[in-house]
Amino acid sequence: KAGVTQTPRYLIKTRGQQVTLSCSPISGHRSVSWYQQTPGQGLQFLFEYFSETQRNKGNFPGRFSGRQFSNSRSEMNVSTLELGDSALYLCASSLVGTLDEQYFGPGTRLTVT
Amino acid sequence: AQSVTQLDSQVPVFEEAPVELRCNYSSSVSVYLFWYVQYPNQGLQLLLKYLSGSTLVKGINGFEAEFNKSQTSFHLRKPSVHISDTAEYFCAVSDTGGFKTIFGAGTRLFVKA
Repeated sequence: KAGVTQTPRYLIKTRGQQVTLSCSPISGHRSVSWYQQTPGQGLQFLFEYFSETQRNKGNFPGRFSGRQFSNSRSEMNVSTLELGDSALYLCASSLVGTLDEQYFGPGTRLTVT
Repeated sequence: AQSVTQLDSQVPVFEEAPVELRCNYSSSVSVYLFWYVQYPNQGLQLLLKYLSGSTLVKGINGFEAEFNKSQTSFHLRKPSVHISDTAEYFCAVSDTGGFKTIFGAGTRLFVKA
């Protein structure tokens, strides 16, 4: 079966702009989690969605938001971009939650200049 | 609050030698532990997980880990490594509900010929 897909794979934005990243989970998976990966901070949990509901959120400012659609596809949005938002953003899907195996996408590399 | 500490940022080892990657966790509730591997320029892949039952967990690619409640540890071991095991390894803990995963900072395993 097809894996987790993320689009776009690479993005370059300037400070102050906003960006939307997309994640399509594995068919049948209803839980989608987002993570930010940077060399200094490692993998940090952003939020988790299940059946269009955000069940948990990490310690990120309100500029980071997300949503999930009825087909389980998910988007995350970052507004008013800062240089420190440059990172690899990873999406992971699982059947019902993070106690199941999470399948990770290849990530979206965001560079803010 | 839950947290994960990976005690070694880098572990160099010769091919066919044994290896242990150390992980300690803190949690005030039931613990669900995972090891993930990330190969260069790829997303993460689950190696193994502990939810309950036997404290010795066997995973893919010949890896195993032992859950030690008294020492709050979940160390990853492999008796004989290959060049292809060169990657970054992440220890992680999930909350009871499966809504959030906290990752350690990662250990870079470098296997030398």
